Amino acid sequence: AQKITQTQPGMFVQEKEAVTLDCTYDTSDQSYGLFWYKQPSSGEMIFLIYQGSYDEQNATEGRYSLNFQKARKSANLVISASQLGDSAMYFCAMRAPLWGNNRKLIWGLGTSLAVNP
Amino acid sequence: DGGITQSPKYLFRKEGQNVTLSCEQNLNHDAMYWYRQDPGQGLRLIYYSQIVNDFQKGDIAEGYSVSREKKESFPLTVTSAQKNPTAFYLCASSVPGQGQHTYEQYFGPGTRLTVT
Repeated sequence: AQKITQTQPGMFVQEKEAVTLDCTYDTSDQSYGLFWYKQPSSGEMIFLIYQGSYDEQNATEGRYSLNFQKARKSANLVISASQLGDSAMYFCAMRAPLWGNNRKLIWGLGTSLAVNP
Repeated sequence: DGGITQSPKYLFRKEGQNVTLSCEQNLNHDAMYWYRQDPGQGLRLIYYSQIVNDFQKGDIAEGYSVSREKKESFPLTVTSAQKNPTAFYLCASSVPGQGQHTYEQYFGPGTRLTVT
């Protein structure tokens, strides 16, 4: 069965420090994509970063990077130099398989991140 | 500005009434989605549509209905048959196609529905 697991319900980080949010996934498909979204208290889901299963390099987008360990089936989000505005819920999601018309995402339960000043 | 609009932000209804949630996008995306989010939960897919005049049930379609008469619009009706309709509803869209592309979903601001 396809599944996304986020084991950290809540995390705290000091402003300007780095933080890692965990995500493990389960799929039997060889081609898949992993997404991270941010949901601030306003409710809107904001796309942050994407990693494809065949991508050899870890994805990076500004202060966001994805620590992709295929053998361990993990796709952890690393936020560097945390800012107060990073306080939000963070969701990991997966699309599998990537080929064909499948556009459904499988979602984790999220991790609540609080950045302390 | 391109984006997805959902209206209203907050919606209140009496039990037994049908209610329609609006979702409009001007991103020229073919695919649109409706999700439900409950407190402490991830997103659950209600319905999705990959092209005009076609849509498929998601994981929790019972008690909901949709239409897709225009590319830009994908309204969701919460019917009286939905046993627990109070939730946060999110609409999204993405570019469909073949092959290994990102096709990330873009989301609207959401509608918080309260049924009493």
